Amino acid sequence: SYELFQPLSVSVALGQTASLTCGGSDIGTKNVHWYQQKPGQAPVLVIYRDNNRPSGIPERFSGSNSGNTATLTISRAQGGDEADYYCQVWDTSGVFGGGTKLTVL
Amino acid sequence: EVHLLESGGGLVQPGGSLRLSCVASGFTFSNYVMSWVRQAPGKGLEWVSGISGSGDSKYYADSVKGRFIISRDNSKNTLFVQMNSLRAEDTAIYYCAKRVTAGKAYYFDYWGQGILVTVSS
Repeated sequence: SYELFQPLSVSVALGQTASLTCGGSDIGTKNVHWYQQKPGQAPVLVIYRDNNRPSGIPERFSGSNSGNTATLTISRAQGGDEADYYCQVWDTSGVFGGGTKLTVL
Repeated sequence: EVHLLESGGGLVQPGGSLRLSCVASGFTFSNYVMSWVRQAPGKGLEWVSGISGSGDSKYYADSVKGRFIISRDNSKNTLFVQMNSLRAEDTAIYYCAKRVTAGKAYYFDYWGQGILVTVSS
């Protein structure tokens, strides 16, 4: 079965840029989606189809996908961006990465 | 506005059964694949099951196949999952999620608030 790999944690200084990666075999050939989950809350879709933002998601959130790595980039990081972030693809079923905890210092 | 509201969770003994429901509003329910996604305490997200808009096609993760049964009642805009032979490892928050199909892209654009299922003696 297909697997996605995410670093357990990423830290970023306030106002700087955070890059969260999601690794998978030839993931560049798949559509990658990203979710933000804050403590005690349901996940929220922040990027779909590699690099598209749903309405209401700030332009500071962007995505890319190539080769074996997809990346969620958060520019001008804010305290409110602290959360767990999950990447997701569809193989024969839904597949989620293990999640990355983003800390804004 | 899309709204998904789960119910039916609680404490159940190992080997027991539980039925979760998810009432949907704000979109044409029968037009969409619906899914259950769960999250064990302190762990990541795990896709559990999905069902086509008509209810004719059903899909399950290997971890629940043969024990869980997904269904829907489009007349009541409600999604269900019947969970049988429950195990401690089924303990999780269960989310109902609306799935978008865009070409070969499948993702979840709306989620319920989740409902906790605890399997313990």
